[in-house]
Amino acid sequence: DIVMTQGVLPNPVPSGESASITCRSSKSLVYKDGKTYLNWFLQRPGQSPQLLTYWMSTRASGVSDRFSGSGSGTYFTLKISRVRAEDAGVYYCQQVREYPLTFGSGTKLEIK
Amino acid sequence: QVQLKESGPGLVQPSQTLSLTCTVSGFSLMDYSVHWVRQPPGKGLEWMGRMKYDGDTYYNSALKSRLSISRDTSKSQVFLKMNSLQTEDTAIYYCTRENVMDAWGQGASVTVSS
Repeated sequence: DIVMTQGVLPNPVPSGESASITCRSSKSLVYKDGKTYLNWFLQRPGQSPQLLTYWMSTRASGVSDRFSGSGSGTYFTLKISRVRAEDAGVYYCQQVREYPLTFGSGTKLEIK
Repeated sequence: QVQLKESGPGLVQPSQTLSLTCTVSGFSLMDYSVHWVRQPPGKGLEWMGRMKYDGDTYYNSALKSRLSISRDTSKSQVFLKMNSLQTEDTAIYYCTRENVMDAWGQGASVTVSS
């Protein structure tokens, strides 16, 4: 199984600052079609996860351009610019390159 | 408007079988896959299995011996059945659409307890 390892944030992050969340995979997530099969989600307290980006860097419909995904085949970053109170929650990366699909353990973002 | 909604019993006895239903609207089960994901209290997300648009299924190997996913396309429903439940199966169970998981249900809370 592909293991997803997420980094920790130096919480709390001051409102208006930027935050970068890291994620590493144990195997390349680049498929033969050239796409990188990595999703990012935000789960706010008491809510279902919400898709932020897919194919590593494509923002989901309705997601603010303050969220941007980047990376290589095995190392990924989700950058949140000008953080706001509504960005607080747990962020998960997920690989959908192969089955079984696997998630990182989550990175908590707190806003000051 | 794409929607998914989980339903099922909130409480299941140990060793019994869990049955959950995911009812979808705004899209067809013959065009999109549906996945099940669960989250134990205070913990992370675990992918359980998938019903593909063509009826094919795939399961997490850790759960495969206990898990079954089926569907009724005429009712726009996907079903999860998992037997031999233990306390560690206590979780919120979500259904979600496609590998991009662009839409999620609100989750069904399941407690395994006598």
